[in-house]
Amino acid sequence: AQKITQTQPGMFVQEKEAVTLDCTYDTSDPSYGLFWYKQPSSGEMIFLIYQGSYDQQNATEGRYSLNFQKARKSANLVISASQLGDSAMYFCAMREGTGDSNYQLIWGAGTKLIIKP
Amino acid sequence: SQTIHQWPATLVQPVGSPLSLECTVEGTSNPNLYWYRQAAGRGLQLLFYSVGIGQISSEVPQNLSASRPQDRQFILSSKKLLLSDSGFYLCAWSAWTGLNYGYTFGSGTRLTVV
Repeated sequence: AQKITQTQPGMFVQEKEAVTLDCTYDTSDPSYGLFWYKQPSSGEMIFLIYQGSYDQQNATEGRYSLNFQKARKSANLVISASQLGDSAMYFCAMREGTGDSNYQLIWGAGTKLIIKP
Repeated sequence: SQTIHQWPATLVQPVGSPLSLECTVEGTSNPNLYWYRQAAGRGLQLLFYSVGIGQISSEVPQNLSASRPQDRQFILSSKKLLLSDSGFYLCAWSAWTGLNYGYTFGSGTRLTVV
């Protein structure tokens, strides 16, 4: 079974609108971390935001926020006031366990976001 | 500050030729190091990871190998490239920051095997 599911292969959004990118995850580990990365056409992988499973509040980083719904196992990325430069692939990823006990990130298939002027 | 260098940025190699991609990290000690491959329009596939010098774990059986001759150096190699080795290769390192497990990626190498 897929551990990280991103159901939106592609999205078109009008500039300045807010956009929500969906991510659901599956794990039986009570301790895990969720990441969102942005990959522009240049290929570099840019870290956006992190949410720990025990964090009480939703993570926020500037225009990015993570809508963490633990019971539903969803970790949607919200971008407020989208900009043309937000056009990119967006990946959701999960790390199970804490400390040095686990090294791998499990990745979703990604969502291609295109911002229209 | 921690930085990660990966080169070359682009590489075109004939089938059957050898490969060597290098990744170095600065500003940190004993990082966990990773090699990922990304096919066009797809997510990332973990190829190798290393928790220390000379310690390599392979996630996917393949035509590639990895080595870690120094603490902050990670090399991806092949003796004979296949067409299916084409893709975008990303090196990354991770360390526990005290709050979370941060991962930082290099700028990637786009490999085309012809």
